[in-house]
Amino acid sequence: DAKTTQPPSMDCAEGRAANLPCNHSTISGNEYVYWYRQIHSQGPQYIIHGLKNNETNEMASLIITEDRKSSTLILPHATLRDTAVYYCIVREQARGAYSGAGSYQLTFGKGTKLSVIP
Amino acid sequence: DGGITQSPKYLFRKEGQNVTLSCEQNLNHDAMYWYRQDPGQGLRLIYYSQIVNDFQKGDIAEGYSVSREKKESFPLTVTSAQKNPTAFYLCASTPTPGTTYEQYFGPGTRLTVT
Repeated sequence: DAKTTQPPSMDCAEGRAANLPCNHSTISGNEYVYWYRQIHSQGPQYIIHGLKNNETNEMASLIITEDRKSSTLILPHATLRDTAVYYCIVREQARGAYSGAGSYQLTFGKGTKLSVIP
Repeated sequence: DGGITQSPKYLFRKEGQNVTLSCEQNLNHDAMYWYRQDPGQGLRLIYYSQIVNDFQKGDIAEGYSVSREKKESFPLTVTSAQKNPTAFYLCASTPTPGTTYEQYFGPGTRLTVT
């Protein structure tokens, strides 16, 4: 799997857009970019994922560069409840029901600790 | 509301005792997973199950056991053979085995063994 690099921490003022970068320069053509977040002492929460087109849902937008070597997660109007550790993960889509344990494991790096400030 | 529930949120046990962590989902998901998270670390896969009555070992299955007798339930037993059981345990599920990494997580159980 391609490795990802994220800044260890970021601050964002409440109400402003939070832009979280992720570098994945070794990404291969069939690997997707996934974003999860984990609020302290809670389970991780899926946010969004994409292959090469920009994606938007009710939580966030994902902007993937044309060469796919980096991406940015955008929280358009950050609130205090968005304070969390954000993880960028690059993985292939699993190929069928019995692909082995490696197909299912979510490997989280250290992520970016986002602090939303009042 | 649909979701994954884990109970209890905090669990304390004496060394040498087995303990079972509950995981229930009403999302009608086929696949379920157990992860362990240690402070400041990522997730490590303990066991996973793609369908009822079937489960597979993950990277750190030693000292753990699971069962999958019902689609909605995937309990994890931490046995006395697990050398460092104190950790945050997370259960997750996905709608169809092997098709997506869009995993849905429960709130977790923090186990402390003394």
